[in-house]
Parts: sequence; structure tokens; C-alpha cells
Amino acid sequence: GAVVSQHPSWVICKSGTSVKIECRSLDFQATTMFWYRQFPKQSLMLMATSNEGSKATYEQGVEKDKFLINHASLTLSTLTVTSAHPEDSSFYICSARGGRLAGGETQYFGPGTRLLVL
Amino acid sequence: AQSVTQLDSQVPVFEEAPVELRCNYSSSVSVYLFWYVQYPNQGLQLLLKYLSGSTLVKGINGFEAEFNKSQTSFHLRKPSVHISDTAEYFCAVGDTGRRALTFGSGTRLQVQP
Repeated sequence: GAVVSQHPSWVICKSGTSVKIECRSLDFQATTMFWYRQFPKQSLMLMATSNEGSKATYEQGVEKDKFLINHASLTLSTLTVTSAHPEDSSFYICSARGGRLAGGETQYFGPGTRLLVL
Repeated sequence: AQSVTQLDSQVPVFEEAPVELRCNYSSSVSVYLFWYVQYPNQGLQLLLKYLSGSTLVKGINGFEAEFNKSQTSFHLRKPSVHISDTAEYFCAVGDTGRRALTFGSGTRLQVQP
């Protein structure tokens, strides 16, 4: 149980375009979803926290107008990288946590999305 | 504020040898502790977690970890490693207040034949 999927698994786009990444909890309702970013050979850095039906909470230094997060349902959160630039190239990973019956405090991670902006 | 320190960036070890990956944390509140494993180009897979109760936690793939509150540590151990254990291992801390996880910098476990 507790499977999280991400789509797409990788994407290449031109500079200036927008890219949407989907994160889905497949077998549980995710009250909270998190978006992380990981640079090569580095750890995960939290970008934002989203709760279903409310605005995302962004970490310091993360531009909310550039990284748009929507958590419209208990099983889906989307991250849109707007006007992408080469420095946005990274590995984006989402995670989800549900209520007590869905693992409680445990976060379950998606497989990640590799973004390359040319 | 919370922080996690993984003291070793890389740990080379021979197959079938024991291994310990070290993790220390700091937090002003009660914490939950996790170990995740990441294989190349993949997301994170939960190895084990400490939420409460017994301080010795057993996880998947033969791994275990011990929560030591006095030393603020949560070291990961395996008595005999396999080639397939080669991966990046992340220690993470969370709490009920913040809810997001704070990750350590990761330890690359390299199992050699």
C-alpha cells in the first residue's frame, strides 16, 4: 500500500515554456503533499507544502509565482514550473502523507520527475 | 529548527560485511525519525521509521536502526550487506508541528564484491 506516482518521469523543454508535474496518491487519501527538489549528488530540499483545498506554503527562497502548486483533491497535487530556465533543471520529487489510517506521520515518495530545460 | 547530520558522505564496504550509517539530529521538540533509500534515478523508498515505543526499529531488507535520545542519534545498521544494497541513504527527521521532513545530506553506500 501507500503508493505515490508522478507523471511525467522525465521531461525536456525549451527555455521559457511551462511544465506541469503531477503527483498522485494511488491507494490512500493524502491530506498533505510535499514537493522537494534534488540537485545531483545532493539531498532533498523542501520547496513547498500543500494541503488539500488550501494555498501551498512555500519555503524561504522558493518563488511561489514560478513554482505554482495546486492540491485540488485528496489524491492529486500538481507543480507547474512557469517560464522555465536552464537553472530550473533538477529532479523534482513529491511525497504524500495521509491520516492515521494511512501511515500517519510517514511520508511516501513518488519516483521523481527529471526536468531538463534547454 | 531541526537539523540532520549524516557524518559519512560515502561508505565503501565489502559484500557480506556489516555496515553502520551514522545519523545525528537536533531538535527542540519530540521527533519522528526515518531512513530512506534512493536507487539511481528513482524516488525514495522508506526503509524504517521511529515514531514511538521500542527504540530498536527493524525495517525492510534486513536493516535496523536504534533511536538514542541521549545521544540524539539514529544510526542505521545491517549485519551483512549485499551488492544490491548499493544506493544513497537518507536520514530524515520530522515532527508533528512542522510536518515536513528535514533530510540529511545522504550517505552513499558502495558495496564491493
